Amino acid sequence: GQQLNQSPQSMFIQEGEDVSMNCTSSSIFNTWLWYKQDPGEGPVLLIALYKAGELTSNGRLTAQFGITRKDSFLNISASIPSDVGIYFCAGQGTGAGSYQLTFGKGTKLSVIP
Amino acid sequence: SAVISQKPSRDICQRGTSLTIQCQVDSQVTMMFWYRQQPGQSLTLIATANQGSEATYESGFVIDKFPISRPNLTFSTLTVSNMSPEDSSIYLCSVEVARGQETQYFGPGTRLLVL
Repeated sequence: GQQLNQSPQSMFIQEGEDVSMNCTSSSIFNTWLWYKQDPGEGPVLLIALYKAGELTSNGRLTAQFGITRKDSFLNISASIPSDVGIYFCAGQGTGAGSYQLTFGKGTKLSVIP
Repeated sequence: SAVISQKPSRDICQRGTSLTIQCQVDSQVTMMFWYRQQPGQSLTLIATANQGSEATYESGFVIDKFPISRPNLTFSTLTVSNMSPEDSSIYLCSVEVARGQETQYFGPGTRLLVL
């Protein structure tokens, strides 16, 4: 089946620093989604990408859908303590069952005040 | 987006018992899904809850263990049957919303601990 490689697995950064994380896949996706999960909560959608090459921003967050449709990155600028959490990428595939999401293993972000 | 609620939010259960988790959405949706998130892990799709027909299960998940109901377009239940400690996880429902483009939104999850 499809697999997503998400990196880095974890990050410790100083408040105010920029953060970058990415996902790569062995197969193409039609949609890339980025979620954040706080402790004790369900994943919250941050950014959705629907088109190869698309670059989308949501406040301090920027994400891109790779041209090859096999990768995506998420950048967070000027990190703040509330950015702490686990960030998941998810790809939505093609063909039969294309509504199914394949998740990366997550990037755990820690922000040092 | 969609507002999704789950009940219970958490539970502690004895092995061999069963627990039914409810998922309620504030609008009618075609696609509803159930995921499992084991401690410290990513999300794994259990099944797609189909309205008016049997759920579609992913490899490694079976109806006898995880029976699902979908009586209408805003509600679904997942039962975790004959529980063992290995079933201790977060169980999440999600919905596919298509307003222009499809996107999946998640409920807050049900934290299950099996002793």
